[in-house]
Amino acid sequence: AQSVTQPDIHITVSEGASLELRCNYSYGATPYLFWYVQSPGQGLQLLLKYFSGDTLVQGIKGFEAEFKRSQSSFNLRKPSVHWSDAAEYFCAYGSSNTGKLIFGQGTTLQVKP
Amino acid sequence: DTAVSQTPKYLVTQMGNDKSIKCEQNLGHDTMYWYKQDSKKFLKIMFSYNNKELIINETVPNRFSPKSPDKAHLNLHINSLELGDSAVYFCASSTPLAGGGELFFGEGSRLTVL
Repeated sequence: AQSVTQPDIHITVSEGASLELRCNYSYGATPYLFWYVQSPGQGLQLLLKYFSGDTLVQGIKGFEAEFKRSQSSFNLRKPSVHWSDAAEYFCAYGSSNTGKLIFGQGTTLQVKP
Repeated sequence: DTAVSQTPKYLVTQMGNDKSIKCEQNLGHDTMYWYKQDSKKFLKIMFSYNNKELIINETVPNRFSPKSPDKAHLNLHINSLELGDSAVYFCASSTPLAGGGELFFGEGSRLTVL
């Protein structure tokens, strides 16, 4: 079955430390991949997206993600985390035919001072 | 100027009641969606409309009826509410993903069924 997996339900990092959030997908075709962030009580905001071309994509707020076809992964990274990055992070796969996004389970990021 | 706006933001109601959530987007997008986020924060698509036509219906109970009076509006009506309907409902709109588009989400409507 088609799926997007975020193996880490909850991650805690210290402020200033680096961050990597994992995402794996199980689709055969070239995927459209997204990372969204959800702050408490808020809607989802797009961090970055991958469609084609350069496999390392830059996003807002200093985030980047790398598409690795051989590993079916699209991991999100940030070199130095800020306290304001504490939020829920969602990876998603997009269908070009329907525009439907299939989301992973989400990863809760906690930032220690 | 809010791009995707939903009303109401909070809804508390009794089992068996009927309620509606309204959504409007001012982005000029042709496609709109309803997503449901459950208590474990899992997001699942319910419906999608393209230019007022239903294109995705993810086997949602027929107590849920979306309506799109025009391409800028997509409302969700829920009949005979059940406890399991308690969730946050998100409206979204998009340009075609194949063209490099993305989904823009509203802030959500938290429905609590007592």
